[in-house]
Amino acid sequence: DADVTQTPRNRITKTGKRIMLECSQTKGHDRMYWYRQDPGLGLQLIYYSFDVKDINKGEISDGYSVSRQAQAKFSLSLESAIPNQTALYFCATSGGVGGGELFFGEGSRLTVL
Amino acid sequence: SQKIEQNSEALNIQEGKTATLTCNYTNYSPAYLQWYRQDPGRGPVFLLLIRENEKEKRKERLKVTFDTTLKQSLFHITASQPADSATYLCALDIGNFNKFYFGSGTKLNVKP
Repeated sequence: DADVTQTPRNRITKTGKRIMLECSQTKGHDRMYWYRQDPGLGLQLIYYSFDVKDINKGEISDGYSVSRQAQAKFSLSLESAIPNQTALYFCATSGGVGGGELFFGEGSRLTVL
Repeated sequence: SQKIEQNSEALNIQEGKTATLTCNYTNYSPAYLQWYRQDPGRGPVFLLLIRENEKEKRKERLKVTFDTTLKQSLFHITASQPADSATYLCALDIGNFNKFYFGSGTKLNVKP
């Protein structure tokens, strides 16, 4: 089984719909992240969480919200999806300080029509 | 504004040659710099980490250099193989906060 699992892997939805992307990890890491990837723009940090009670905004948090339900679970919500939120979304975990490497999920491809 | 730049043009090289990819940054003082590999439709995979007080790091055919004066990291793949073809991303951890900022990546094509 994958260390970081994202669901759904693909989703097509309509403008104005609420969407939730879920992430679970078996690494036992405290730190979890949501990134968005657009062609040619690299990975942009949406939200990050260093423990269950710690949630922080990243570079592009507008239009998104998150919930850290447990150490192993971190979900990303789009309250009212819009077409420019069409992108590939990645969840990642990290083991701690010292530049610890990020472990990524396989991604959730979201299309907003 | 803060910026991390990687060459957006694909790098095409012949099998067996050394590939060199560049990561430049401005307005940062990163504690760490990392390199990741990403295959199409897949999540990035960690390759190497180098700390601000390190000049060079090696792992098998991979070598990373880090020049904090030039604000640049170079990523080398020696004896490149077609299987090395992928997009390579650099990431900076600013202030040792485990908050990572990524460049846009450079696509490497290794031709047999």
